[in-house]
Amino acid sequence: GNSVTQMEGPVTLSEEAFLTINCTYTATGYPSLFWYVQYPGEGLQLLLKATKADDKGSNKGFEATYRKETTSFHLEKGSVQVSDSAVYFCALIPSNDYKLSFGAGTTVTVRA
Amino acid sequence: GAVVSQHPSWVICKSGTSVKIECRSLDFQATTMFWYRQFPKQSLMLMATSNEGSKATYEQGVEKDKFLINHASLTLSTLTVTSAHPEDSSFYICSARSGTGGISEAFFGQGTRLTVV
Repeated sequence: GNSVTQMEGPVTLSEEAFLTINCTYTATGYPSLFWYVQYPGEGLQLLLKATKADDKGSNKGFEATYRKETTSFHLEKGSVQVSDSAVYFCALIPSNDYKLSFGAGTTVTVRA
Repeated sequence: GAVVSQHPSWVICKSGTSVKIECRSLDFQATTMFWYRQFPKQSLMLMATSNEGSKATYEQGVEKDKFLINHASLTLSTLTVTSAHPEDSSFYICSARSGTGGISEAFFGQGTRLTVV
């Protein structure tokens, strides 16, 4: 079946530190890959996405590259801010379906 | 991006009563809407998928008689938690897709915090 595995948190960083959240997936064919962010008490917001191999999604300083060979979609940001504190979810939509499959989420806390 | 509005943001109800949560797509037509449940510090669990004008498809283990879903129009879906009990307390989130072909992303509502006392 389809599944997403992301690194367990929580992750605590200082401002301006480098952030990486690992995400790997299992799916048949060529899924579309997503990163969603959830701020406290809110729903999910799409952060970035990639729909084919070697695509790089980017938004708000975050980047992730669709790596077919390693079935990965790691999220990175070079210099985090306190406002980046949130829960980050990696997700996929299989090529033969329309349902999102989510990873467990990684809580990130950035301290000033 | 497209906007999905969910109402109410939070609700407290007495055990045994029913609660209705609305999910509206404000600036696009949502052919498909999804309802999720999220437990504290956990990921989202898909409860059901609804297509406009047809019955919802429930995921395994979700009681369709307890969680009534109606998708009466292309911009509105409702989730009614019937005879709510404290164990139904959770964060419920809807999402909507336009489904116009290709990979259409899902847009999420802000969620509803349900507390049953």
